[in-house]
Amino acid sequence: DTEVTQTPKHLVMGMTNKKSLKCEQHMGHRAMYWYKQKAKKPPELMFVYSYEKLSINESVPSRFSPECPNSSLLNLHLHALQPEDSALYLCASSQVNRGETQYFGPGTRLLVL
Amino acid sequence: QQQVKQSPQSLIVQKGGISIINCAYENTAFDYFPWYQQFPGKGPALLIAIRPDVSEKKEGRFTISFNKSAKQFSLHIMDSQPGDSATYFCAASHNNDMRFGAGTRLTVKP
Repeated sequence: DTEVTQTPKHLVMGMTNKKSLKCEQHMGHRAMYWYKQKAKKPPELMFVYSYEKLSINESVPSRFSPECPNSSLLNLHLHALQPEDSALYLCASSQVNRGETQYFGPGTRLLVL
Repeated sequence: QQQVKQSPQSLIVQKGGISIINCAYENTAFDYFPWYQQFPGKGPALLIAIRPDVSEKKEGRFTISFNKSAKQFSLHIMDSQPGDSATYFCAASHNNDMRFGAGTRLTVKP
């Protein structure tokens, strides 16, 4: 099973709302990622968790707050977002080793009004 | 700063033809080079990947050629089919830090 699941599939939120994106995998992977993808652009790395600890933060604004409550789950908490934050948010997972394949979920399509 | 450069931006190929997409990188620390295929509304899916100690890898109709000294790698899709129409991303990774090329939108005409 190489499935990464993400909920919700779609999310519309106002600039004053607080919402969370969820990601889950059961492949025993100990690295999990959040990427942001704008239309017709490549995925951009936001955060990397290794063994449930934040290992990479690509200078993402504090209105995005990641959380890794256990080895299977990854959350992205959203607060006071801007319209330019509208994008496809992708979660991925992999083994924590050099040169390991990252498996992506289907993404959450976020629209900020 | 774009760490992986990909070309062409778009490609149109006739059914049965060969599709070729090229990528180049600067950071010699990269040690894993995957190619991802993405259909509209879907997440990227791994197509094929190579490590720098190998110059070529073939899986079915898909072949990666890797030139370590030139810091370049390419994807060849043989006998291209309309179902291959998608966006293709090359990527380079080191210690779980993966960077993508800009993407190539491939259209295979029947």
